[in-house]
Amino acid sequence: DTEVTQTPKHLVMGMTNKKSLKCEQHMGHRAMYWYKQKAKKPPELMFVYSYEKLSINESVPSRFSPECPNSSLLNLHLHALQPEDSALYLCASSALVTGGGQSVHFGNGTRLTVT
Amino acid sequence: GENVEQHPSTLSVQEGDSAVIKCTYSDSASNYFPWYKQELGKRPQLIIDIRSNVGEKKDQRIAVTLNKTAKHFSLHITETQPEDSAVYFCAATLKSGGYQKVTFGTGTKLQVIP
Repeated sequence: DTEVTQTPKHLVMGMTNKKSLKCEQHMGHRAMYWYKQKAKKPPELMFVYSYEKLSINESVPSRFSPECPNSSLLNLHLHALQPEDSALYLCASSALVTGGGQSVHFGNGTRLTVT
Repeated sequence: GENVEQHPSTLSVQEGDSAVIKCTYSDSASNYFPWYKQELGKRPQLIIDIRSNVGEKKDQRIAVTLNKTAKHFSLHITETQPEDSAVYFCAATLKSGGYQKVTFGTGTKLQVIP
């Protein structure tokens, strides 16, 4: 079981398709993240939302478009992807508290294949 | 920016033996060090963490040590079991504005041989 829920678990899409990945958390966390993970590599940060505002965009191509409708939901809209975009897409969240760092909690991910 | 190095990249141990994974970081501002275990096809899962004001932390068969002066931290797994087989990522974290800035190590693939 996980406290960050992602749908769908698997997605196969063509290069002309438009699809969306969805993420939901109910831990009251106010920071939410999208990471991309290739096989045998660590997660790579794509976007960060803090208090529903986009805080970080790690130079991600415009074919990836994030959206944060409210404090519990995070979407990633996909359009005109390339085969090299095939990867595991992980949503994550973390608390924002004063003081030191906090753990980032990952969802189970969406395994994306672009054909 | 922060840089985290992790060694070894692969590690094979016999069941019941101990396993040690080592990481170094570069930014002295990092103050939180989580370890994630990732089984094949699954999400990274937090297994233990340590803050910069603590030198050692233990949870059953897993322990983590931190040498803040040398900027080293290590994961120790004792009495390894086949279910410990996975990829382990260390990370260095600091709170940056409104989010947690996490820098991951490159990962260690641990294989426990029955």
